[in-house]
Amino acid sequence: SQQGEEDPQALSIQEGENATMNCSYKTSINNLQWYRQNSGRGLVHLILIRSNEREKHSGRLRVTLDTSKKSSSLLITASRAADTASYFCARTKNNKLIFGAGTRLAVHP
Amino acid sequence: GAVVSQHPSWVICKSGTSVKIECRSLDFQATTMFWYRQFPKQSLMLMATSNEGSKATYEQGVEKDKFLINHASLTLSTLTVTSAHPEDSSFYICSAGAGGAYEQYFGPGTRLTVT
Repeated sequence: SQQGEEDPQALSIQEGENATMNCSYKTSINNLQWYRQNSGRGLVHLILIRSNEREKHSGRLRVTLDTSKKSSSLLITASRAADTASYFCARTKNNKLIFGAGTRLAVHP
Repeated sequence: GAVVSQHPSWVICKSGTSVKIECRSLDFQATTMFWYRQFPKQSLMLMATSNEGSKATYEQGVEKDKFLINHASLTLSTLTVTSAHPEDSSFYICSAGAGGAYEQYFGPGTRLTVT
């Protein structure tokens, strides 16, 4: 499969806690993107991190990239019930997006 | 921001019939559109890439005669599922890009159920 690995597959936390999702890939990348998908909906782009960047922030989101380990993580701080969704990492290959398996996050009030 | 629409948002059809799904970029011209398929609790799998005015490029394992893709204009691409079978039931998502794969904007998806 061309898909990357994401862990955990599912994550259940309480509001206010932090959520960390990890993504690993096998080939070199130019950039990595993270997307969010609410149940039964389309994807929303969250962050793009380039291969020469190590960390990027956007509001309560923090993405790190370790190209030596071929891995990336998405941290959501102070989670809210509205953060409940599936989160996918995606890398670009041959002008196509290859998505990871995704992490299903459930944030309980 | 860039908006992509899909129509219909859901459709139920009988086995053997054909279904057409439209993907439109509402406020930008999309040189490339992508079609994905997603099964429940799974990730998105790219089916095909279409460029305006040319034939679509299908991913390995995707039947081009079953999933007909037309990208007739810079704002419209259509996916037609021909002779649908229950195993074609899935969530179909399109995306449109003005700058290749790096910058894709996703439609809200179409839920297809074949009975």
